[in-house]
Amino acid sequence: GDSVTQTEGQVALSEEDFLTIHCNYSASGYPTLFWYVQYPGEGPQLLFRASRDKEKGSSRGFEATYDKGTTSFHLRKASVQESDSAVYYCALSGDSNYQLIWGSGTKLIIKP
Amino acid sequence: NAGVIQTPRHKVTGKGQEATLWCEPISGHSAVFWYRQTIVQGLEFLTYFRNQAPIDDSGMPKERFSAQMPNQSHSTLKIQSTQPQDSAVYLCASSPPNYNNQAPLFGEGTRLSVL
Repeated sequence: GDSVTQTEGQVALSEEDFLTIHCNYSASGYPTLFWYVQYPGEGPQLLFRASRDKEKGSSRGFEATYDKGTTSFHLRKASVQESDSAVYYCALSGDSNYQLIWGSGTKLIIKP
Repeated sequence: NAGVIQTPRHKVTGKGQEATLWCEPISGHSAVFWYRQTIVQGLEFLTYFRNQAPIDDSGMPKERFSAQMPNQSHSTLKIQSTQPQDSAVYLCASSPPNYNNQAPLFGEGTRLSVL
């Protein structure tokens, strides 16, 4: 079945550091890919989505490019801020087109 | 516009009691989803409604769990005879009528604690 792999369970950075969170997927067909962010006590919020190869999604300084060749959708941000502390989830829409398949999440910690 | 509204935010039940969780989707959204989130299992799909009709309940535990959508403005998730392993955050989400590959928008969740 379809799956999403986030290799980093936790990332600790200082403010203004560069962020990369890796996301690789396995899916038949051409899934839509998503990044969500979840703050404590809240539901996941959509950052952005991408539906086709080489499409770049971006929001709030975060970006990711759909790469069908490497089956990846890595999240990057040039300069993180304390307010970016949260859990980040990569997800894809599977064959059903409505059910999201989620990665395990990556907790971003910004060190003081 | 208001987002997805879930009530209550927190619910504590004793083992064996019933719990009913409520969700009000975004107005105009015809797709409604329920997910469960735990530390161990992460985010798990439970069930999906489209235009109030149940489409996919493949994630629902076969016993004790049921979901309904009696009208377009609310859905309920009912857990009978709650067990400690049912403790989780239950998330409701909705998306617009063109549901294919749309990004569901989530409520803040209901944290269920079964003592």
